[in-house]
Amino acid sequence: QKEVEQNSGPLSVPEGAIASLNCTYSDRGSQSFFWYRQYSGKSPELIMSIYSNGDKEDGRFTAQLNKASQYVSLLIRDSQPSDSATYLCAVNGIQGAQKLVFGQGTRLTINP
Amino acid sequence: DTGVSQNPRHKITKRGQNVTFRCDPISEHNRLYWYRQTLGQGPEFLTYFQNEAQLEKSRLLSDRFSAERPKGSFSTLEIQRTEQGDSAMYLCASSLTSADEQFFGPGTRLTVL
Repeated sequence: QKEVEQNSGPLSVPEGAIASLNCTYSDRGSQSFFWYRQYSGKSPELIMSIYSNGDKEDGRFTAQLNKASQYVSLLIRDSQPSDSATYLCAVNGIQGAQKLVFGQGTRLTINP
Repeated sequence: DTGVSQNPRHKITKRGQNVTFRCDPISEHNRLYWYRQTLGQGPEFLTYFQNEAQLEKSRLLSDRFSAERPKGSFSTLEIQRTEQGDSAMYLCASSLTSADEQFFGPGTRLTVL
């Protein structure tokens, strides 16, 4: 089992709809969770961080964390074509290690 | 701009040559990380520093790879005797503490011919 798993996609969503991205992780003791957006040929850009169970909202983005189910998700409301990118889930603290472990990323396409 | 910077942005080299990359973190950040990313994959951890101390190295980091952060500010990553399999994007990130958000630089894209 991979330490952090994401569906690689591609995920296609019509413009204006809600995009839902999911991530599971292997270690229940993991401490902090992040979503990065990565455009083709560019480096990852941090868009959300979440540290405790529940929802965290920032503009059109909502991160959801369920530690009991070892599950993190990212919702993007009112999707725009500029949201088309690869979204990387990253987990800190797997097996006590102080580093980020990334999923392989989900490629999202917003269709006008 | 006070973000993470990396140089060079692109490097093309021949197999067997040595290359060195530089990373300048956000100024108040104590932690500096190196990752490597290949096409279609998420970044993979290579090593990290707290101030000038290198605290962890991945098994991915063979003895051809060495990293330094001599005064706890900028860091260098050197690859000796490059191989075609070293071709990747090398990413640097920094954070304030171990649990904090990590911010990435633009990366150095290495191509080994």
